[in-house]
Amino acid sequence: QVQLLQPGGEAKEPGASVRVSCKTSGFAFTNYGVSWVRQAPGQGLEWVGHISADSRHTYSAQSLQGRLTLTRDTSTSTAYMDLTRLTSDDTAIYYCGRDTGTAAGDYWGQGTLVTVSS
Amino acid sequence: QSALTQPASVSGSPGQSIAISCTGTSSDVGGYNRVSWYQQHPGKAPKLIIHEVSNRASGVSDRFSGSKSGNTASLTISGLQADDEADYYCSSYTSSITWVFGGGTKVTVL
Repeated sequence: QVQLLQPGGEAKEPGASVRVSCKTSGFAFTNYGVSWVRQAPGQGLEWVGHISADSRHTYSAQSLQGRLTLTRDTSTSTAYMDLTRLTSDDTAIYYCGRDTGTAAGDYWGQGTLVTVSS
Repeated sequence: QSALTQPASVSGSPGQSIAISCTGTSSDVGGYNRVSWYQQHPGKAPKLIIHEVSNRASGVSDRFSGSKSGNTASLTISGLQADDEADYYCSSYTSSITWVFGGGTKVTVL
C-alpha cells in the first residue's frame, strides 16, 4: 500500500534550519511529484512547495522563496524539505503528499511538527 | 497567490445535504479543472475526497460530490452523518504552476 512516512517532530531555535524527510513506499516514486503543505496551530492548510517527478523542477510559495529547498533521492524513495532562517511563524505541522498533477496529494504523510522557539 | 475563499463554517442535521463553496479567480479555479477537496479530522492528515472538480477519490462515499461554475467550485455532502464532522479544504492548480488552498470550512453535524 502507498505510504509516506515522516518523523514526528523537530525543535529548532530561531535562525536555525530544519530538514524534514518523507520516505515513500508502495508506488513508483519516479512517477510522481511531491508536494509539501504546512498547517500552523489552529490554522488552515498552506501550500509550501512542489518538486517534480524527475527532480528537474521545483516550485515554492512566494512567501518562502529563498529559504526553501526541495530535493528527492531516488535510491531511497525519499523526499526532503529544507527550510532555513526559521522564525516562530514557521512553527507548523509539515505534510508531504504524493502529487498526481491533478491534486497536490492523493496520499499524505502523517506530518512533522516543527517547533521554532528560543 | 491569495487563498481561495471558503465559508468559515457550515452546519446541518443528520440526513440533510450541505454545500461548501470555494471561490477563486480565472487564474486558478476558473482556469483549470484541477480542483480538489480534502477532509481533515482533528489531529489527522488531510484526506483527498474529490479531484478534478467532480471525481471521487478511491473508496470515498458517493454522498460526496463536486462541481464548478466559473470561478466557484462547490462540494456537496448529502445524507449528512456524524463522521462527516470535520474541516474541509478546497485546492486548485494555478497559472503560476503552484497549488493554492482555501481557508477551510468547519462542518458541524447538529
